[in-house]
Amino acid sequence: AQKITQTQPGMFVQEKEAVTLDCTYDTSDQSYGLFWYKQPSSGEMIFLIYQGSYDEQNATEGRYSLNFQKARKSANLVISASQLGDSAMYFCAMRGLGYGGSQGNLIFGKGTKLSVKP
Amino acid sequence: SQTIHQWPATLVQPVGSPLSLECTVEGTSNPNLYWYRQAAGRGLQLLFYSVGIGQISSEVPQNLSASRPQDRQFILSSKKLLLSDSGFYLCAWSRGVSNRETQYFGPGTRLLVL
Repeated sequence: AQKITQTQPGMFVQEKEAVTLDCTYDTSDQSYGLFWYKQPSSGEMIFLIYQGSYDEQNATEGRYSLNFQKARKSANLVISASQLGDSAMYFCAMRGLGYGGSQGNLIFGKGTKLSVKP
Repeated sequence: SQTIHQWPATLVQPVGSPLSLECTVEGTSNPNLYWYRQAAGRGLQLLFYSVGIGQISSEVPQNLSASRPQDRQFILSSKKLLLSDSGFYLCAWSRGVSNRETQYFGPGTRLLVL
């Protein structure tokens, strides 16, 4: 079965510093996609970054980058130059080929709450 | 550009009452649509998904149902709410079923069943 594990329930980072949020995954699919979402206190899930299992380079989107280590099945999110507005819940998610008839459904981790200190 | 709307934003309902949550997508056609539920302090659980009008697949058996009467409209319903139905309901859309396709979420509906 597919599974996403986020081992850090909460993280603190000083403003303007970089922070790494951990994510490990388990799947038997050879082709899959990994996603990170941000959920501020308002509740909306905001898509941040995507990494495909066959992508050779780590994905980057502005201040967000994904440290993808396929052999270790990890897809850590790195946020550079943290800002106060980065304080939120962060979810790692995976979408495989689909199982049990599901149309490639997203499997989410339990999330990491990031707090940025001024 | 595409936008996704959900309403109502917040809802307080008594146990045993009916429920209807609506989700609409603008700026795209024939999207895949999804309903998720998020319990307090937890990740998201997929409830239903739809790949087309009238096509609904259920992931978790429960007293909820979903319908897709129009291409870009997805409705979550219940005939009789339970206390356990309380939570944050998120609608999402994607262009396709490929694992490269991103799912984009709406603003969500907070449901409290008393």
